[in-house]
Amino acid sequence: RKEVEQDPGPFNVPEGATVAFNCTYSNSASQSFFWYRQDCRKEPKLLMSVYSSGNEDGRFTAQLNRASQYISLLIRDSKLSDSATYLCVVTRTGSARQLTFGSGTQLTVLP
Amino acid sequence: DAGVTQSPTHLIKTRGQQVTLRCSPKSGHDTVSWYQQALGQGPQFIFQYYEEEERQRGNFPDRFSGHQFPNYSSELNVNALLLGDSALYLCASSLQGGNTEAFFGQGTRLTVV
Repeated sequence: RKEVEQDPGPFNVPEGATVAFNCTYSNSASQSFFWYRQDCRKEPKLLMSVYSSGNEDGRFTAQLNRASQYISLLIRDSKLSDSATYLCVVTRTGSARQLTFGSGTQLTVLP
Repeated sequence: DAGVTQSPTHLIKTRGQQVTLRCSPKSGHDTVSWYQQALGQGPQFIFQYYEEEERQRGNFPDRFSGHQFPNYSSELNVNALLLGDSALYLCASSLQGGNTEAFFGQGTRLTVV
């Protein structure tokens, strides 16, 4: 079983739609949690960190449930520019600089 | 301020050959990590260098080795290339200590034929 699992998609949604991505992690010692965004043939870039209290950045909301070992990302009012692959990322206690990535969920926002 | 730079951007090698990839970290960063990203997969951690030493290593064979120089730049070496080594190789830099963001370079796309 992979340490970080995501639905690979693809998700094809119309502009303005709300879309949610889910991610589960298997290592209960996981310490920090992130969502990264990767455009086609580009490097991953940090979208947002994820906290147990939940956090919001504009149209993006991330949530962490440590008991269920579950992470989510909600995108509201989707834009064409949101089309990308979204990567769920965790780090382990004592290995703060070692990122463990899921396989990514591909999103295409359609006009 | 230059971000993380990697060279070369693309490379084609033959099975059995050796390859060296290079990375210059973002200004002010002292830690370099290398990742391998196969097509359709997320990046997989190879190893991390800090103070010119390998500090952490992922599940990769000894054919993968690295080096960090006093100026914090780093090299990734892969010996005896296999077809399965074809991937995007990403370098990420960060600052040891504290909870700083890791920044990625644009990657080197290696094709083994």
